[in-house]
Amino acid sequence: SQQGEEDPQALSIQEGENATMNCSYKTSINNLQWYRQNSGRGLVHLILIRSNEREKHSGRLRVTLDTSKKSSSLLITASRAADTASYFCATDEKGGGTSYGKLTFGQGTILTVHP
Amino acid sequence: DAGVTQSPTHLIKTRGQHVTLRCSPISGHKSVSWYQQVLGQGPQFIFQYYEKEERGRGNFPDRFSARQFPNYSSELNVNALLLGDSALYLCASSLQGEKLFFGSGTQLSVL
Repeated sequence: SQQGEEDPQALSIQEGENATMNCSYKTSINNLQWYRQNSGRGLVHLILIRSNEREKHSGRLRVTLDTSKKSSSLLITASRAADTASYFCATDEKGGGTSYGKLTFGQGTILTVHP
Repeated sequence: DAGVTQSPTHLIKTRGQHVTLRCSPISGHKSVSWYQQVLGQGPQFIFQYYEKEERGRGNFPDRFSARQFPNYSSELNVNALLLGDSALYLCASSLQGEKLFFGSGTQLSVL
């Protein structure tokens, strides 16, 4: 089953604008990750934020995590046409032992950046 | 180093048939996970293997099975295929189990 919801389901912006995507989840987590998927093929890891972190940056990406609200946001600054893709949040849920690769994904946000 | 490789890239089967999907992890990665992604949705966890042992199983019927070999490659088997099994099947490997590296997937169509 899906962990939670992503908002919006689709986002269309112009090159140079910022894009913000939100993710909500339901359970306690070890970490939350964001992945990107082009044209329905393999996913690429973008950034990981641990449950004891509130904000993280990587290049043009900024991720925030609010564990009290069980929500996260991904900000892409100065977007480019090449950023057009689907973006998924994924949670590593707290439970017994090490997950070794079990993530629970959201439904995704389709981002379109127009040149 | 090569990334995660999956074969075949596309597959067409008919209902009731059996299918085997294959995955080779990144060299040095001992953890392999399988995910199913139906069109328009996020990937859904099927199995995870670490050091050739099953460490987790998602909410899938017993028609789905998997195994991991001594070289850490993996196979996903699906028996008695249903139309609803049509999806992109993704394999991911990881070093410490946090960040996942995905293959390009196998697109399975069941007619």
